[in-house]
Amino acid sequence: EPEVTQTPSHQVTQMGQEVILRCVPISNHLYFYWYRQILGQKVEFLVSFYNNEISEKSEIFDDQFSVERPDGSNFTLKIRSTKLEDSAMYFCASQQGMSQPQHFGDGTRLSIL
Amino acid sequence: AQRVTQPEKLLSVFKGAPVELKCNYSYSGSPELFWYVQYSRQRLQLLLRHISRESIKGFTADLNKGETSFHLKKPFAQEEDSAMYYCALSGNTDKLIFGTGTRLQVFP
Repeated sequence: EPEVTQTPSHQVTQMGQEVILRCVPISNHLYFYWYRQILGQKVEFLVSFYNNEISEKSEIFDDQFSVERPDGSNFTLKIRSTKLEDSAMYFCASQQGMSQPQHFGDGTRLSIL
Repeated sequence: AQRVTQPEKLLSVFKGAPVELKCNYSYSGSPELFWYVQYSRQRLQLLLRHISRESIKGFTADLNKGETSFHLKKPFAQEEDSAMYYCALSGNTDKLIFGTGTRLQVFP
């Protein structure tokens, strides 16, 4: 069964550095999402992406965050200048069409030092 | 405000006992409700959604609009059901709003 894949599984970065989290969605899926889960807290929506543009973003998704689908297969989340509070598990999800189930990747654990 | 509440952080039962994982929601329109499961060291997986009205791995959930609840039930728990269970809703967009999750422990 096709899966969403995320790399790396664990990223350790110094505060203030840029970080790029990568996701390869399932190939025929059209809708893409990033969520995050701070340790001990709930999974929170960050951003949704469709037709090469952001369709919705949460208040967490400020100017430090950006998403891109550079080559038709990868879907990336960039954090420009990381803060300690960005430490979390970041999940990518993809969806074949509206109202279809979302399929999640294994997540990237981001640790900011 | 859109919100999903799972009041229990941990639910422990013995194998063969009935299980009910509680989920209440707050949403002004007609939401779609989901249960996701995360087994140890695995990804979030969709367990079931209310519109499909199916039973997966013996689990069922009924949407009660009057009580704004979507409790997950299984009549006889198995050890392999031990996992983290998340209730989630989506509204007029497909973004998912999750509850804080309930860890189910099934003892032999």
